[in-house]
Amino acid sequence: LAKTTQPISMDSYEGQEVNITCSHNNIATNDYITWYQQFPSQGPRFIIQGYKTKVTNEVASLFIPADRKSSTLSLPRVSLSDTAVYYCLVGLKSYNTDKLIFGTGTRLQVFP
Amino acid sequence: EAQVTQNPRYLITVTGKKLTVTCSQNMNHEYMSWYRQDPGLGLRQIYYSMNVEVTDKGDVPEGYKVSRKEKRNFPLILESPSPNQTSLYFCASSPTKGQGTYEQYFGPGTRLTVT
Repeated sequence: LAKTTQPISMDSYEGQEVNITCSHNNIATNDYITWYQQFPSQGPRFIIQGYKTKVTNEVASLFIPADRKSSTLSLPRVSLSDTAVYYCLVGLKSYNTDKLIFGTGTRLQVFP
Repeated sequence: EAQVTQNPRYLITVTGKKLTVTCSQNMNHEYMSWYRQDPGLGLRQIYYSMNVEVTDKGDVPEGYKVSRKEKRNFPLILESPSPNQTSLYFCASSPTKGQGTYEQYFGPGTRLTVT
């Protein structure tokens, strides 16, 4: 089965750029890479999704190299409210299944 | 308001007593899914459904059942709950915009304790 690997935790200070990398060696050809943010006792919230190269929206950027075996979520100028767990998600399309595999998540702590 | 709702939000029950956690979405999404979240293990998919009457196992389906009789509802059934099913459960839904794309909307979660 496809598996994703992320760092368990990261620390940062307000105003800094944070980059969180996810490894997904077995990603399928048609799969997109999606990142979610989760605060304690809440459901995950969609941040960004991409297939290749670079995607940017109002809150983050997603960098995906040509081989697509990894991806990097970039959060510009983080604030205290960005303290959360960030999950990388890829689909698993094999024999007509549509399982979704979450990584174990990266706990980001932002300090003042 | 577009949302995914789950009920109940909190449930304490005893081993072996059948229970159902309901999930409903009002966004006309085709894809729905159940996850459980345990400390140190992240989110693990239990079951998913691509559309009405189409369901399939995720990574941890043992001890759970689901049904998808209507597009908006996707209940999770525990026929004989055991203490190892104590967990935080999330329901999610997603439009299938295209193959491999899943922008999921999550419910608020159901915290289940089985004693």
